[in-house]
Amino acid sequence: AQSVTQLGSHVSVSEGALVLLRCNYSSSVPPYLFWYVQYPNQGLQLLLKYTTGATLVKGINGFEAEFKKSETSFHLTKPSAHMSDAAEYFCAVSDGDSSASKIIFGSGTRLSIRP
Amino acid sequence: EPEVTQTPSHQVTQMGQEVILRCVPISNHLYFYWYRQILGQKVEFLVSFYNNEISEKSEIFDDQFSVERPDGSNFTLKIRSTKLEDSAMYFCASSGRGGGRVGELFFGEGSRLTVL
Repeated sequence: AQSVTQLGSHVSVSEGALVLLRCNYSSSVPPYLFWYVQYPNQGLQLLLKYTTGATLVKGINGFEAEFKKSETSFHLTKPSAHMSDAAEYFCAVSDGDSSASKIIFGSGTRLSIRP
Repeated sequence: EPEVTQTPSHQVTQMGQEVILRCVPISNHLYFYWYRQILGQKVEFLVSFYNNEISEKSEIFDDQFSVERPDGSNFTLKIRSTKLEDSAMYFCASSGRGGGRVGELFFGEGSRLTVL
C-alpha cells in the first residue's frame, strides 16, 4: 500500500531563509507524488506534482520538489521564504495512475515564518 | 477559474441528528471525493464516486455515511446519526478533466461540522 511520512510536524524559518519540508514515501508501484498547501481557513491547493519524467518539479509560489527514488524522498523546497508562505503543507501519494485514483495524505507540516 | 464549492461552511448539530453536506464539483469533472480532517490530524480519505456509484470507501465510511449525486451538479455527503467523533472539517474534491490528470484533485474550502 502507498503511504507518505512527513518528518517534522512544525517547521519555523526566518523570512528570506531556505524552506525545506521533508517527505518520504512508500509505494509498491512507481509513485505519483504531490504537495498540497492549506492556508488558514481554506481548502487544499495543489502546489506541484510528480508523475513521470523530470525529477525536479517546479510548482507555484516558487516552490519545487525533487523526486529521489534511491532515497524514496520528495522533499519540498523554496530558496527564500516569504511571510505569505505560512501554511500547512501536505505531502501526498496517489494510489494509482488514473484520474480515479485517490490521494493519500501525510500528516502535514505547519510552516511558520519569523520576521 | 472553476472551483469546487461547499455548503454550509460551518454546521453545528446535536448528537444523533442527520447532517447533509453539499458540494458542487467542477462542472466537467467525472470523479468525486470526500475527505475529512479532524482538528490537528491528517486529511483522511472517506469515499470516491464515479458514474453514479461508489468506487472506493475507507473503513471510516460506515453505514452511517452515504453519498449521492441527486442531479447533474450536486454531490452530497449524508451522516445519518452524528456522533461526537464526527466533528471534523469535511472536504469535497473532484478530478478528471478530459483525458484525466493523475491525482490533480481540486478541493473545496471545506465544511466544518461540530457535533455537540
